[in-house]
Amino acid sequence: ETGVTQTPRHLVMGMTNKKSLKCEQHLGHNAMYWYKQSAKKPLELMFVYNFKEQTENNSVPSRFSPECPNSSHLFLHLHTLQPEDSALYLCASSQETGGFQETQYFGPGTRLLVL
Amino acid sequence: AQSVAQPEDQVNVAEGNPLTVKCTYSVSGNPYLFWYVQYPNRGLQFLLKYITGDNLVKGSYGFEAEFNKSQTSFHLKKPSALVSDSALYFCAVSPNTGFQKLVFGTGTRLLVSP
Repeated sequence: ETGVTQTPRHLVMGMTNKKSLKCEQHLGHNAMYWYKQSAKKPLELMFVYNFKEQTENNSVPSRFSPECPNSSHLFLHLHTLQPEDSALYLCASSQETGGFQETQYFGPGTRLLVL
Repeated sequence: AQSVAQPEDQVNVAEGNPLTVKCTYSVSGNPYLFWYVQYPNRGLQFLLKYITGDNLVKGSYGFEAEFNKSQTSFHLKKPSALVSDSALYFCAVSPNTGFQKLVFGTGTRLLVSP
């Protein structure tokens, strides 16, 4: 266990559904990240939050909407997704984003299938 | 912009033999380099990182990596492979300017046969 939990672990949704992914970290970190992992592709950074403020939006479509109510929780709200959005969504945390040498700790991921 | 290359999609090695998983990088300035491992249905687990100092970095589970600035490489090594080492390995680089933005390679699948 890395101290980062994600729920649900698996999610199947239709293109018209609205769902949310949840991430919680128990490490006392101040930075949280969403990544998308697709087969045969590098991990894609989606969003970064540092001290609850969004510091990076890596050109992610608006059908993905992040929310960070506090430094321990991060959500990814999903609506009107496309089949190509099917992937493993990983959450990570680190002490803060300003420390270049800091290690990011990852959750187990949510396997998303969009039908 | 920084980038990472993992030239091998898969590495096969027999248990007990040494293993090497290759990684080369491109970044402006001095890099911070990381190795992560991913087991099936799990997230990424941190193995080791190079920040500065000794070019040989030791990490978890008996893994080590050698930073070579002239060859811009950071290969992952282990003297004696275990079947349980079979997993997907990711190399990542972060520049030492701006804010930390890890860039990952595409991953190398390591298969250790009994």
